[in-house]
Amino acid sequence: EAQVTQNPRYLITVTGKKLTVTCSQNMNHEYMSWYRQDPGLGLRQIYYSMNVEVTDKGDVPEGYKVSRKEKRNFPLILESPSPNQTSLYFCASSSSATAILAKNIQYFGAGTRLSVL
Amino acid sequence: AQKITQTQPGMFVQEKEAVTLDCTYDTSDPSYGLFWYKQPSSGEMIFLIYQGSYDQQNATEGRYSLNFQKARKSANLVISASQLGDSAMYFCAMRGISGNNDMRFGAGTRLTVKP
Repeated sequence: EAQVTQNPRYLITVTGKKLTVTCSQNMNHEYMSWYRQDPGLGLRQIYYSMNVEVTDKGDVPEGYKVSRKEKRNFPLILESPSPNQTSLYFCASSSSATAILAKNIQYFGAGTRLSVL
Repeated sequence: AQKITQTQPGMFVQEKEAVTLDCTYDTSDPSYGLFWYKQPSSGEMIFLIYQGSYDQQNATEGRYSLNFQKARKSANLVISASQLGDSAMYFCAMRGISGNNDMRFGAGTRLTVKP
């Protein structure tokens, strides 16, 4: 089954304790991205990756890191979490970053609900 | 810069009736795609329907259709014969070809279907 898998689904942590949210896709997609969802703001992009070893900042990258060492994995790292990073996080992937005339649908993971105390 | 606007924070509809969720967008890209996603209370993001900016016909997927008016820059989602399971958040999104090719989302509309 084609899917994007995020772990963990729920996480409660304390300020300053490093954490990693994993993301893996089995669709051989080149493009992967991370979003955070906050009430009234929709989804905002944190980081994205066009392909292996190619990553760049989205709209709200402060306090986050990513890496793309393999095509299927795109972990999100919070080196020193703070309460303002309490949010619902989504990983997403799509088949091509530039095939705009095709159905360039982004497929989303189930989400990770993070609380930073 | 690309921007998506959903002006209806919440909508109510009677079961079996049709409902239209509004979405307007702003972009300078010559080519772009428009998407609608559904987010039920369980939290996952479910793709519903896609419309390409050069598509001649409005997209349809089962009970979902997209009322695309390019000159007005609007891409409204129409859900026909609403069901209780349609109660959810609905997000309009757009993806262009400029910049990082990211997907921009509106703030969402919460739809409640009444029995």
